[in-house]
Amino acid sequence: GQSLEQPSEVTAVEGAIVQINCTYQTSGFYGLSWYQQHDGGAPTFLSYNALDGLEETGRFSSFLSRSDSYGYLLLQELQMKDSASYFCAVRGVDKIIFGKGTRLHILP
Amino acid sequence: DTAVSQTPKYLVTQMGNDKSIKCEQNLGHDTMYWYKQDSKKFLKIMFSYNNKELIINETVPNRFSPKSPDKAHLNLHINSLELGDSAVYFCASSHQANEQYFGPGTRLTVT
Repeated sequence: GQSLEQPSEVTAVEGAIVQINCTYQTSGFYGLSWYQQHDGGAPTFLSYNALDGLEETGRFSSFLSRSDSYGYLLLQELQMKDSASYFCAVRGVDKIIFGKGTRLHILP
Repeated sequence: DTAVSQTPKYLVTQMGNDKSIKCEQNLGHDTMYWYKQDSKKFLKIMFSYNNKELIINETVPNRFSPKSPDKAHLNLHINSLELGDSAVYFCASSHQANEQYFGPGTRLTVT
């Protein structure tokens, strides 16, 4: 089967660093993407990894290990506005699968 | 200059009715999608079109019928609405499937 696993909730403190993990199982793999969704809003694209390694975009970084079928999203210098749900997504053969989302709670 | 737009934003209707949701993108993308997000926030793809051709058709009741008159538009028609169809429906578009741009969503409530 095809699936993605990510934690349902993560809590961190403002100014800290948090990592959201994602493991996947797909037939065929074309890359791992990350999306952010605020309550009542639409998902917005954050990052994409097709190859192993770390991609950095400002305070956000995303990592992929294809051999481990694993990736993570790293958020640094957390701000209250980062409180949202974060989804990993993979594209397989004729499939696009989203994880169930990780709700990030940020404490002041 | 909205990138991906959907209408209506809210839709309240009774069971058994037929309704449509429209989607338009001005990004010049070749591929468009429809997603359903249920009350548990689970985001599931329903359909994907590339240059007006259906390329992904997940296990969706045939009461749902997408129509793409051109590559900038992908509409969703739903027949005989059921209570379980209540959800938020997102349209999206992309040049490459790994970077999708979502519309604001249509909150459908079936009573």
